[in-house]
Amino acid sequence: GNSVTQMEGPVTLSEEAFLTINCTYTATGYPSLFWYVQYPGEGLQLLLKATKADDKGSNKGFEATYRKETTSFHLEKGSVQVSDSAVYFCALSSLADRDDKIIFGKGTRLHILP
Amino acid sequence: NAGVMQNPRHLVRRRGQEARLRCSPMKGHSHVYWYRQLPEEGLKFMVYLQKENIIDESGMPKERFSAEFPKEGPSILRIQQVVRGDSAAYFCASSPDGSTNEKLFFGSGTQLSVL
Repeated sequence: GNSVTQMEGPVTLSEEAFLTINCTYTATGYPSLFWYVQYPGEGLQLLLKATKADDKGSNKGFEATYRKETTSFHLEKGSVQVSDSAVYFCALSSLADRDDKIIFGKGTRLHILP
Repeated sequence: NAGVMQNPRHLVRRRGQEARLRCSPMKGHSHVYWYRQLPEEGLKFMVYLQKENIIDESGMPKERFSAEFPKEGPSILRIQQVVRGDSAAYFCASSPDGSTNEKLFFGSGTQLSVL
């Protein structure tokens, strides 16, 4: 079945550091890939997405490239801010599935120190 | 345009009681999904509903859990005879159509605590 594996947290970085959160997936067909962010006390918000191989999703300085050859969708940001502290979820949905629900990874908690 | 509304935000129940969680989807959305988030874990799919229909309940425990999305009113996730292991955050999401859930909007969740 479809699954998402992402690096375990917590990840602690200093402000302005470079961020990478690894994500790999297993899926039938051609999934769409997502990164969601959950700020403290809130629901999930879509951060970025990519729908086909080699697409790059980007938003708020974050980027992720859909790599079909390595089945990966790593999240990166060149210079993190304290306000980026949150839990980040990698996810996929596959149109090959009958009802196309989103499958989430376990989440990676990110702490940014001032 | 209000987003996905869930209530209550926090719900405390004693073992054996019933818990009812409500979700009002975004205006114009007729597809609702329920997810459960256990401590230090990701979101686990529970059930997908359209108005008056359960489309996929493959993630629902076989006993004590049920969900509905009536023609009028919010979607309800009902947990009977709650146990401590039911303590979790329950998130509802809605989308305008079911062909793709890329347009998925989440509520802020209901935190259920079972004493």
